[in-house]
Amino acid sequence: QVQLVQSGAEVKKPGASVKVSCKASGYTFTRHYIHWVRQAPGRGLEWMGLINPSGGSTSYAQNFQGRVTMIRDTSTSTVYMALSGLRSEDTAVYYCAREDFFDTSGYYLYWGQGSLVTVSS
Amino acid sequence: EIVLTQSPGTLSLSPGERATLSCRASQIISSAQLVWYQQKPGQAPRLLIYGASARATGIPDRFSGSGSGTDFTLTISRLEPEDFAVYYCQRYGSPYPFGQGTKLEIK
Repeated sequence: QVQLVQSGAEVKKPGASVKVSCKASGYTFTRHYIHWVRQAPGRGLEWMGLINPSGGSTSYAQNFQGRVTMIRDTSTSTVYMALSGLRSEDTAVYYCAREDFFDTSGYYLYWGQGSLVTVSS
Repeated sequence: EIVLTQSPGTLSLSPGERATLSCRASQIISSAQLVWYQQKPGQAPRLLIYGASARATGIPDRFSGSGSGTDFTLTISRLEPEDFAVYYCQRYGSPYPFGQGTKLEIK
């Protein structure tokens, strides 16, 4: 069965960087884009970007340009999301989600369990 | 950039009642790109509806989606206790915006 298993919670100081992993299993890793979505406490969902595990190409949301990097390791079927210059507003649960399509309709059917990143001095 | 606005922010209803949730886009979008998710506390979102009206596998038929252009609706025909949650719409296309969510709470 398809699974996306994320790394554990992190506590970081302002200005630091964090790297969250998302290990995929149960399907051919290179056939589905992986997106990252975050959710601040008590807030809504915010799209951060995506990576094509096949070639490694990425697309980032404008809000995160220059601060976010997404890479993949095909040998371990793992995608990584790194966020730098952390500030308190980056405290959130970070989710990875697999892109699926039916005809021309895309959606996220499979999600990771979420990784809480807390930014605090 | 397309903005999705959901209304109401909070909807208070009783089990057995009908719920109507709205998602309005700032520009016309393709129906193929409109997705609905349900999220319960401490859980990842759950796919309900894609392509504006297609139910995901395993989603009960009391959930239905409709709409086109800029106005989309998620309807829950008869609320069950497990349906009380937060609902998000998303336009599945760059930059993949989400609505701000509608909280469906027990009255």
